[in-house]
Amino acid sequence: NAGVTQTPKFRILKIGQSMTLQCAQDMNHNYMYWYRQDPGMGLKLIYYSVGAGITDKGEVPNGYNVSRSTTEDFPLRLELAAPSQTSVYFCASSFPTRPEAFFGQGTRLTVV
Amino acid sequence: AQSVTQLDSHVSVSEGTPVLLRCNYSSSYSPSLFWYVQHPNKGLQLLLKYTSAATLVKGINGFEAEFKKSETSFHLTKPSAHMSDAAEYFCVVSGSSGGYNKLIFGAGTRLAVHP
Repeated sequence: NAGVTQTPKFRILKIGQSMTLQCAQDMNHNYMYWYRQDPGMGLKLIYYSVGAGITDKGEVPNGYNVSRSTTEDFPLRLELAAPSQTSVYFCASSFPTRPEAFFGQGTRLTVV
Repeated sequence: AQSVTQLDSHVSVSEGTPVLLRCNYSSSYSPSLFWYVQHPNKGLQLLLKYTSAATLVKGINGFEAEFKKSETSFHLTKPSAHMSDAAEYFCVVSGSSGGYNKLIFGAGTRLAVHP
């Protein structure tokens, strides 16, 4: 009964480094999402995927890349980390016919 | 276009008193609406949802919300606050857009509960 699992939970990066945030779901959801949460700003959509092999940009995609090779996994790649990418990142998933999304525990990323 | 406005960024109540967290939405069609709760350093948990059935929606932990179309509101209430209710609450509107279930988040309301 894992739901949506994100790794790592915390990470500190130096400016210019790169990393991949991992996300896996075991609910056989077609749709998966990456959000970032900044203080007082709610959550903003970075990228989303409606199925394996299909991804598209959300509201704030710059500086990020994604891939979706399987239904279960949806990794988020940060290239050339910048201080503006300091945030909490949430992965979520849902069924196409049901609007509510299920969220992971989040990854707190600091870029110094 | 859809949008969500949470009218209070912070709400403070005493334990045992009622809770009211206010949310107004804007949507060009009948929306699905949600409240999510986020406890410190935790993920988001679905508290309750409205999807065009009963306008009074009951959720977990004694919370409920009423969908009022005429007022475009979806306020969250609880009769008696508990210390464990201290958290951040997000009002969310959903609509299908571009082939996915688009979730629009409010900025959040931080609820503090005092003894």
